[in-house]
Order: sequence, then structure tokens, then C-alpha cells
Amino acid sequence: AQSVTQPDIHITVSEGASLELRCNYSYGATPYLFWYVQSPGQGLQLLLKYFSGDTLVQGIKGFEAEFKRSQSSFNLRKPSVHWSDAAEYFCAVGEGDTGRRALTFGSGTRLQVQP
Amino acid sequence: NAGVTQTPKFQVLKTGQSMTLQCAQDMNHNSMYWYRQDPGMGLRLIYYSASEGTTDKGEVPNGYNVSRLNKREFSLRLESAAPSQTSVYFCASTRHQKGGEKLFFGSGTQLSVL
Repeated sequence: AQSVTQPDIHITVSEGASLELRCNYSYGATPYLFWYVQSPGQGLQLLLKYFSGDTLVQGIKGFEAEFKRSQSSFNLRKPSVHWSDAAEYFCAVGEGDTGRRALTFGSGTRLQVQP
Repeated sequence: NAGVTQTPKFQVLKTGQSMTLQCAQDMNHNSMYWYRQDPGMGLRLIYYSASEGTTDKGEVPNGYNVSRLNKREFSLRLESAAPSQTSVYFCASTRHQKGGEKLFFGSGTQLSVL
């Protein structure tokens, strides 16, 4: 069964600084990988996803993520953080097209942005 | 376009009471899901319905039942609520039950069991 680890529970960055949120996954085959963002009191919104091909994926709101098979990682990055980026971020992994289960989510990383 | 609608948004129950969380989607999606979100544990799958007429257990199904009423609606029932079921519940849907499909989420139901 697949699993996802987000080692950082809480991260604080200054507005304008760069950001990297870590995600490691465990899955036997090539996974489908996702990053979702949850603003306070809201449901989750998809930031980006990786299926195959180019290992650097661009998403909404200026976010990008890089798939590194050798490290089983899918880290999320943003060059310059805005105060509105403060939220909780979830990495998720999905099985291939033959999979019967829904996405498996990591435990989340809460991002705080300092002015 | 409403997307995924959950009701109620907040609920307080006493131990042993029952209730049903309602979820409806207007995107003609085939697959629907119920997750619970607890601090430090991310989202855990309770039940899912790959298509109308089918339901399957997820990671944490104990204490819950579901009904896929039709293609639009997927309800979650707590027959005898326990404090351990205090959580935020999210309904989600996708076009198909495939690992690469994007999930669309409702805004959640915050449930407290006293």
C-alpha cells in the first residue's frame, strides 16, 4: 500500500522568501502525485499534479514541484511567498489506473507567513 | 456552479446520538468519497463509492455507514456517535475511480461529540 510522509508539521517563512515543503512517498510503481492546499475553514484545492513526463511540474498560484524517483520525493516550491499563501499543504499519492482506492494523503504542513 | 455541497457545516452531538452527513455534487461525477481530518493525521478515507450502486470501506470505516442514494448524493451515517468521532469530515468526488483523477472537495462538516 502506498504512503506519504510530510516531515515538517509547521513552517514559518517571511513574506518574499522562498519556500520548499517536503514530501516523500512509498509506492511500488510510478505513482500519481499531488499537492493540495487548504485555507482555514475550507476544503482542499488542487495545486498541481504529476503523472509522467517532465519531472518539474508547474501549478497554480506560482507553485511548482519536482518529482525525484531516486529519492522518492515530490517537494513543493515557490520562489517568493505571499501572505495569502498561509495555509495547510497536503501531499498525496494515487495508485495507477488499476487502483481501486482513493488518494492517500500525508499529515500536512502548516505554513505561516511573517510580514 | 456549486460543485460539492455538504450539510451541515457544524454539528454537536452527545455520545450515543445518531446523525447523517449529507453530500451532493452537481458535476456528474461517478466516484464519491468520505474523508475525516484530524490534527497531525491528514485526511483518512472512511468510505468511498466508485460508481452509483457500489460502496467500499476505506482506511477507517468502523462506526460509520454510507449510502450512495443516486449519482449525485453520498451520505455518511453515524449510528451511535462516540467522542473519537470528533473530527472534520470532507466529502469529495471525481469523474472516475482512478489514481490520477483530481478530487473536488466540499467545505467540510465540523463535528463534535461530547
